[in-house]
Amino acid sequence: EDQVTQSPEALRLQEGESSSLNCSYTVSGLRGLFWYRQDPGKGPEFLFTLYSAGEEKEKERLKATLTKKESFLHITAPKPEDSATYLCAVQARGGSEKLVFGKGTKLTVNP
Amino acid sequence: DAGVTQSPTHLIKTRGQQVTLRCSPKSGHDTVSWYQQALGQGPQFIFQYYEEEERQRGNFPDRFSGHQFPNYSSELNVNALLLGDSALYLCASSLRFFHEQFFGPGTRLTVL
Repeated sequence: EDQVTQSPEALRLQEGESSSLNCSYTVSGLRGLFWYRQDPGKGPEFLFTLYSAGEEKEKERLKATLTKKESFLHITAPKPEDSATYLCAVQARGGSEKLVFGKGTKLTVNP
Repeated sequence: DAGVTQSPTHLIKTRGQQVTLRCSPKSGHDTVSWYQQALGQGPQFIFQYYEEEERQRGNFPDRFSGHQFPNYSSELNVNALLLGDSALYLCASSLRFFHEQFFGPGTRLTVL
């Protein structure tokens, strides 16, 4: 069964204090790994798709990386507006298009 | 370019009632997936519709059913509501064979 585990569950940072979020996964053949940002009471907002080990993608202060067993979301010099829950999801090969999500990491950035 | 829209925003029902939630996909998308997100959890896949047929289903009982219309919009129906059905219901749209799914704002369902 495909599984995604995210750590830590919650993370508090000071503005400007860089850190990383972890997403460990087991999947029967990875088609893609996805990162989303979710604000309270709202739908997830798409950030990145990663397809193969060694791939990296960047957007503003965020950088996502992928290995064969895990993905990291690096946040450089975060700002208070980066506070949100970050969700990781995997999609398996073989015709299935469902996303299997982790529980997310709740990030709080204090000014 | 309109994104994914869902209605209603909030809904309050009592146990045993039935509910219908609606979703309009992002312009150009032909596939709709539904997810249930309980408080503090990640979204759980309910089912996916493409070409007006249910293509894949997650571990949800038959009380959960859906429909897709020729204009690609979709409905999620839940019968015989239970307290445990209280959650944020998310609709995601995508273009078939492309992997990214884009989510709507969700419908918050409360069952009393």
